[in-house]
Amino acid sequence: AQSVTQLGSHVSVSEGALVLLRCNYSSSVPPYLFWYVQYPNQGLQLLLKYTSAATLVKGINGFEAEFKKSETSFHLTKPSAHMSDAAEYFCAVRGGSNYKLTFGKGTLLTVNP
Amino acid sequence: NAGVTQTPKFRVLKTGQSMTLLCAQDMNHEYMYWYRQDPGMGLRLIHYSVGEGTTAKGEVPDGYNVSRLKKQNFLLGLESAAPSQTSVYFCASAFSGSGANVLTFGAGSRLTVL
Repeated sequence: AQSVTQLGSHVSVSEGALVLLRCNYSSSVPPYLFWYVQYPNQGLQLLLKYTSAATLVKGINGFEAEFKKSETSFHLTKPSAHMSDAAEYFCAVRGGSNYKLTFGKGTLLTVNP
Repeated sequence: NAGVTQTPKFRVLKTGQSMTLLCAQDMNHEYMYWYRQDPGMGLRLIHYSVGEGTTAKGEVPDGYNVSRLKKQNFLLGLESAAPSQTSVYFCASAFSGSGANVLTFGAGSRLTVL
């Protein structure tokens, strides 16, 4: 079975600072990995996905993530945080089947002025 | 574009009551899912469907039933609600094939069971 661990349930940064949200996965097969974002009182939106092409994946709103097989990691970064980035972020891994995703427990990002 | 629409958005039930959450998508997606979101638990898959007339259990199916009589609709039923089912429920849908895992989510349905 696949699983995802997000390190840190809450991350707080200052506006303009680097954002780093950590995700480690476990998978018995080559994984497909995703980051979703959830703004307050909304559903989840796809931020970016890794599907075994380039290891560095660029997403929306200036976010990117790097797949590191040796570290079983898929950390999400953004060079400069903006107030509008405040949200909850979920890492997800494709399960053993072709159609189920397993989500991490989420990391709440707070951006301070 | 409507995308994925969930109804109702809010509901309060008493223990033992029954209800149905409706999910409708207008994107001709084959796959549909019901998740529940609880603080500190992330999203957990309740049931899913890979096509009209088919359903399967996810991670936390107990106490829930589902039906997919039409491709565009996926219903989640609670036959006898319990306080442990207080949660925010999200429906999602996706195409089959290589795009299968790009889920489009609804806005959520907040259920409180007293």
